[in-house]
Amino acid sequence: DQQVKQNSPSLSVQEGRISILNCDYTNSMFDYFLWYKKYPAEGPTFLISISSIKDKNEDGRFTVFLNKSAKHLSLHIVPSQPGDSAVYFCAASEPYNNNDMRFGAGTRLTVKP
Amino acid sequence: DTAVSQTPKYLVTQMGNDKSIKCEQNLGHDTMYWYKQDSKKFLKIMFSYNNKELIINETVPNRFSPKSPDKAHLNLHINSLELGDSAVYFCASSQSARKLFFGSGTQLSVL
Repeated sequence: DQQVKQNSPSLSVQEGRISILNCDYTNSMFDYFLWYKKYPAEGPTFLISISSIKDKNEDGRFTVFLNKSAKHLSLHIVPSQPGDSAVYFCAASEPYNNNDMRFGAGTRLTVKP
Repeated sequence: DTAVSQTPKYLVTQMGNDKSIKCEQNLGHDTMYWYKQDSKKFLKIMFSYNNKELIINETVPNRFSPKSPDKAHLNLHINSLELGDSAVYFCASSQSARKLFFGSGTQLSVL
């Protein structure tokens, strides 16, 4: 059962514009959410996270929004840069089972110059 | 300095063979993991080790066995390889279990 879903396998945006990557989850016990970024032939690297007690977390050009009632989170990248082109994974974990982090299938972002 | 390193990066082998993938972390983390990225690109947890104790084992065939000689190493041994084992395997480590650090992956191809 896929408890974390990223329904868009790919997204293409123009440099300088906003990129919005979406993620939905089904497990209401999740209390911590992360985004990872992955370049080809490399492992995923941590990008940004958010706890369920917040609805927004910002780090430079990256902002994650959490809508608990909709079980939905999104990653905004503004402005998008060609170096942001990568696969982005959404992940989530429960408070008392936080060694079992669940991942979505990823969204491939392409930022065109 | 690579924080989490795994070898080999590519592994091509025949069905029925036994193979191992090695993983080492120099971050001083207490917990190490093995994830499998399947053909649908989902990252699924296989094992985690905390202070040499297995604390998660998802529905992984017993042909897969994690071996941890010490806190900095978690190797993955696979017996009797099958075609369906072809995937990318990622090692990871964490201290807080809220943030994982991944190796660069091992692409396993079973012919």
